[in-house]
Amino acid sequence: GNSVTQMEGPVTLSEEAFLTINCTYTATGYPSLFWYVQYPGEGLQLLLKATKADDKGSNKGFEATYRKETTSFHLEKGSVQVSDSAVYFCALSVSAGANNLFFGTGTRLTVIP
Amino acid sequence: DGGITQSPKYLFRKEGQNVTLSCEQNLNHDAMYWYRQDPGQGLRLIYYSQIVNDFQKGDIAEGYSVSREKKESFPLTVTSAQKNPTAFYLCASSQTGDTQYFGPGTRLTVL
Repeated sequence: GNSVTQMEGPVTLSEEAFLTINCTYTATGYPSLFWYVQYPGEGLQLLLKATKADDKGSNKGFEATYRKETTSFHLEKGSVQVSDSAVYFCALSVSAGANNLFFGTGTRLTVIP
Repeated sequence: DGGITQSPKYLFRKEGQNVTLSCEQNLNHDAMYWYRQDPGQGLRLIYYSQIVNDFQKGDIAEGYSVSREKKESFPLTVTSAQKNPTAFYLCASSQTGDTQYFGPGTRLTVL
């Protein structure tokens, strides 16, 4: 089946610290991989994506590399800011037709000044 | 501005009542989706529609109903048959086979 396993939170970091949020997946076929971010009380925003092995998605200083050999898509940022405090969701999509997304449970990040 | 709108932002329902959540998009996307989010959990798919006048059940469709009479609109009705409807509801849309984009959500509370 299709599933996503995310690093459990919450994660608390000081400003300018390095961030890693782990994400591994199980999928039939060749999935596309996504990171979405949810700020308090809001919907999900697409942060970055990768559609094939070895692709690197990047946006706003965040990066994630599609690793087929380890079935992983870990999210990283070199220097976090207070404004990065949010819940981060890893997700995959395997069906070009239905395009349904399978989500991890989310990781809450809090960045303190 | 192109995007997805959901209304209302907050909704309160008495037990036994049906309520309808609105979702509208002006992105000209063919596909639309409804998800439910519970505290500390990921999103679960309720219904999706790939084309007007057609829709399919997701993982947790029981107690919900939808319609897709227009391309830009995909309302969700939470019926009295849904035993635990208090949750955050998110609508999304996409071109078929492409990235999903989400609306701001509706928080439903049963009193």
